Amino acid sequence: QQKVQQSPESLIVPEGGMASLNCTFSDRNSQYFWWYRQHSGEGPKALMSIFSNGDKKEGRFTAHLNKASLHVSLHIKDSQPSDSALYFCAVSINSNNRIFFGDGTQLVVKP
Amino acid sequence: GPKVLQIPSHQIIDMGQMVTLNCDPVSNHLYFYWYKQILGQQMEFLVNFYNGKVMEKSKLFKDQFSVERPDGSYFTLKIQPTALEDSAVYFCASSLEGQYEQYFGPGTRLTVL
Repeated sequence: QQKVQQSPESLIVPEGGMASLNCTFSDRNSQYFWWYRQHSGEGPKALMSIFSNGDKKEGRFTAHLNKASLHVSLHIKDSQPSDSALYFCAVSINSNNRIFFGDGTQLVVKP
Repeated sequence: GPKVLQIPSHQIIDMGQMVTLNCDPVSNHLYFYWYKQILGQQMEFLVNFYNGKVMEKSKLFKDQFSVERPDGSYFTLKIQPTALEDSAVYFCASSLEGQYEQYFGPGTRLTVL
């Protein structure tokens, strides 16, 4: 069974700083990768997806995927207090299949 | 953006009772999912449903669980009978066919006493 592990468990960064979140997965057949963000009391919402090796940048957010090393990461530049949330790495083997979630990284951005 | 609705937001019941959690998925979505989250931690897949059938279920989807979507109405998760360990937040999600992103509802917090 797919194992998805995230580090760190929690992260505190100053406003304007860089936050780096890491994720490893175990199934080499994995094809689809997302970062979901969940604010307290809400459901998770997809932040960005990455399906090919390399970097994908959307505004202040950059995702990196290396399938060979079974690793995906998310970097948040110029972090804002509104970025404070629980971030999940999510992995799927096929479209419309189950998503395997990591344990989450709790990000706190201090003003 | 597209919204998934869940009713009720919070349900408290006694152990052994039946409970039905309701989900109103995004209108043109065809795939539906239930996930379970305990104490704001890991989200765990329960089941996915397409074209009136369960496609895949995890070991968390016990025999006491069932899902259905009668006549295009709510997608429901029924637990009968409930157990203490069923206390959690249950999230419904939906996706388009061929699309990869799952849209999640706000969750139903189930408390079994």
